[in-house]
Amino acid sequence: GESVGLHLPTLSVQEGDNSIINCAYSNSASDYFIWYKQESGKGPQFIIDIRSNMDKRQGQRVTVLLNKTVKHLSLQIAATQPGDSAVYFCAENIRGGSQGNLIFGKGTKLSVKP
Amino acid sequence: GAVVSQHPSRVICKSGTSVKIECRSLDFQATTMFWYRQFPKQSLMLMATSNEGSKATYEQGVEKDKFLINHASLTLSTLTVTSAHPEDSSFYICSARVPGLAEDTQYFGPGTRLTVL
Repeated sequence: GESVGLHLPTLSVQEGDNSIINCAYSNSASDYFIWYKQESGKGPQFIIDIRSNMDKRQGQRVTVLLNKTVKHLSLQIAATQPGDSAVYFCAENIRGGSQGNLIFGKGTKLSVKP
Repeated sequence: GAVVSQHPSRVICKSGTSVKIECRSLDFQATTMFWYRQFPKQSLMLMATSNEGSKATYEQGVEKDKFLINHASLTLSTLTVTSAHPEDSSFYICSARVPGLAEDTQYFGPGTRLTVL
């Protein structure tokens, strides 16, 4: 059910700056991680993924870092643009887990100031 | 990239009525689709896993008789909210696993906003 008073963590950055969004995951057996971007009123959009045998993966303007020791995942966005404003979710999965179900984190709202 | 569509995008209904939401994979066949619910300012919560040709697998706490799922073809899964009540008002999102890609990758539909009066 819905939690009263729940609000998303917010990260506010200036246009052109780099953004770092963090995520802590709970299951040490998770071996596949995805970052999704969700704009208001839309479904999540795949950004980048990483497997547990890697600690860094780069895409276009985005980099995902994985630290399995402390179960931490981060998404770095270079030269943040107003179009990057959205809620960002990390998701984890266990290979061979229940039909590939994803477990989503709480989300971080990124707000880009022009 | 893989495209998943949902219909309708928005629906308003009276309490007690049933609402059907469609999820389609447009350019691929999906043997497995997932249904999520998202309340405002919250994360996505998995409701059920829809398997083509077999019964859906529901997450704990999700009433299977209230949220009917049918996955009759490789490109279509439907979620029917039966006897809807205001507390069922939410954003319902489906996703599909894409064959040939990493087995865990899911692509999401645009979501359906359900408002029950």
